[in-house]
Amino acid sequence: EAQVTQNPRYLITVTGKKLTVTCSQNMNHEYMSWYRQDPGLGLRQIYYSMNVEVTDKGDVPEGYKVSRKEKRNFPLILESPSPNQTSLYFCASSLYPGINEQFFGPGTRLTVL
Amino acid sequence: SQQGEEDPQALSIQEGENATMNCSYKTSINNLQWYRQNSGRGLVHLILIRSNEREKHSGRLRVTLDTSKKSSSLLITASRAADTASYFCATGRTSGYSTLTFGKGTMLLVSP
Repeated sequence: EAQVTQNPRYLITVTGKKLTVTCSQNMNHEYMSWYRQDPGLGLRQIYYSMNVEVTDKGDVPEGYKVSRKEKRNFPLILESPSPNQTSLYFCASSLYPGINEQFFGPGTRLTVL
Repeated sequence: SQQGEEDPQALSIQEGENATMNCSYKTSINNLQWYRQNSGRGLVHLILIRSNEREKHSGRLRVTLDTSKKSSSLLITASRAADTASYFCATGRTSGYSTLTFGKGTMLLVSP
């Protein structure tokens, strides 16, 4: 089954404790992206990757890091989480982002205390 | 970034009625897509309409696109309680890096 998986689905952590949210897709998509969703603000893009070893900032990259060492995986790293990073995070992948549909993961609800 | 903007922000209707949501955008686009999100879950792609198309159908969904007005509408006919969700439009740009830009969504509530 074609899918995007994210782990963990729920995470409660404390300020400053490094964490990684994993994302994996099995559709051989070149494009992957991370979004955060906050009430009243819609989906905002954090980082995206056009291919292995090619990443770029989206609209709200501050406080986040990503890496793309393999085509299927695109982890999101919060080196020093802060409460304003409490949000619902989605990973998505696509064959070609502006032309084809994006497939979304189920989301990771992160709370930073 | 140039976001699409959905209108209305929230819509409440009865089962069997039609629901219409609108999306306006600012830049030239390659295509416009509609997604649905059930509460707290991932977005699911509904339909894609290319910039050279004016109307597209998929089941109970009808999407129109007016590039001269930079607007699109999503019509859900004979709505069901299961259609209760948030609906987002997303635009694919023609210039710059290729990505999708999402609006803030319309929250649809369909009451039995």
